[in-house]
Amino acid sequence: DSGVTQTPKHLITATGQRVTLRCSPRSGDLSVYWYQQSLDQGLQFLIQYYNGEERAKGNILERFSAQQFPDLHSELNLSSLELGDSALYFCASSGRRAGVGETQYFGPGTRLLVL
Amino acid sequence: AQTVTQSQPEMSVQEAETVTLSCTYDTSESDYYLFWYKQPPSRQMILVIRQEAYKQQNATENRFSVNFQKAAKSFSLKISDSQLGDAAMYFCAYKANFGNEKLTFGTGTRLTIIP
Repeated sequence: DSGVTQTPKHLITATGQRVTLRCSPRSGDLSVYWYQQSLDQGLQFLIQYYNGEERAKGNILERFSAQQFPDLHSELNLSSLELGDSALYFCASSGRRAGVGETQYFGPGTRLLVL
Repeated sequence: AQTVTQSQPEMSVQEAETVTLSCTYDTSESDYYLFWYKQPPSRQMILVIRQEAYKQQNATENRFSVNFQKAAKSFSLKISDSQLGDAAMYFCAYKANFGNEKLTFGTGTRLTIIP
């Protein structure tokens, strides 16, 4: 158990809908990362938050947004869902200090299926 | 941009034997980290081993060890005394020590253990 929790584990929804994925980092970790794992794109970095602030952005679509709350949990919001958004979404957390080579520990993932 | 290449989509090994998974990467940075993550059928991403680029000594974790060749930009994983529980996808990942802290992943190697 990595100490990172994600809810829900599975999500089935329809095209055009909006969903929210939730992540709680390991106790004390200030950085949260979101990754998408799909068959055609592999594992891709979406976005990072550090202590409530956006720190880095990757290949995140404009239809997707995220935030990190004062209690350090994070939510990834996916809207206007398309079939191609079906994937496994991972949250990872690291670090008490930004910019230091901290290991990222992954949550169990949320499996999203868009029908 | 950094890239990570895993040229072996699939590997197999007899139980109790030794297997080596290959990974090469490309970066212009001198200070970075390399990781091997394991993804079993449960889809959980589990850290196997980590290597700091400034360390010449190869990292080891029990039956897992790496061969880090910085000049060649090569980072292979050796699994000794292979066990059935080692069956999984193995991902090589790169992370810069400064700047963007995202993980850049290879495409993975699926390891099968033959009883």
